[in-house]
Amino acid sequence: KAGVTQTPRYLIKTRGQQVTLSCSPISGHRSVSWYQQTPGQGLQFLFEYFSETQRNKGNFPGRFSGRQFSNSRSEMNVSTLELGDSALYLCASRNQGPAGTGELFFGEGSRLTVL
Amino acid sequence: GQQVMQIPQYQHVQEGEDFTTYCNSSTTLSNIQWYKQRPGGHPVFLIQLVKSGEVKKQKRLTFQFGEAKKNSSLHITATQTTDVGTYFCAGMNYGGSQGNLIFGKGTKLSVKP
Repeated sequence: KAGVTQTPRYLIKTRGQQVTLSCSPISGHRSVSWYQQTPGQGLQFLFEYFSETQRNKGNFPGRFSGRQFSNSRSEMNVSTLELGDSALYLCASRNQGPAGTGELFFGEGSRLTVL
Repeated sequence: GQQVMQIPQYQHVQEGEDFTTYCNSSTTLSNIQWYKQRPGGHPVFLIQLVKSGEVKKQKRLTFQFGEAKKNSSLHITATQTTDVGTYFCAGMNYGGSQGNLIFGKGTKLSVKP
């Protein structure tokens, strides 16, 4: 079974630009979560999608958005990039059991550098 | 909002020494998970604890969930160089919507051979 696939793996943008990151979950997983990882703040939750609906959202500004498609693939978008958005963006899928349980399977991440 | 605090932030040990990382939540958790992230890698699930006072072992790793379900620990006996990485706890709170995992900031373990 293929793991979680994230594209692109690395990208460089300049301030003010926007970026779209893609995540393909493990086949059969309908829950996809996004996390931002930085050295100082660790793993911070962005949002979770389940069956094309955003059902949880972290404490990030509206510049961060996401969506999920009918095949469970997910994208996240960051508009008007700031230097502080430089981070590793991790996607994780889960085979949803009872609410909230089930291990997260992480992708390799998309490393975004904003210049 | 819910916070999960993890200490220490860094731990340097000699190979063969023991290692413990602690996780504390400001609220009661429904369950807690532990992940390991190797340098340059992505977090990988280690275990999930659900019951109050639960203790689980995986070879040299021992995981505990506190009686009040607000704290947890991971103990590694006789560390090896393969244990190097960052260990994260992640707590799930009760109630509300389906919820999300709140990660601690991790403990970065280095092991000197």
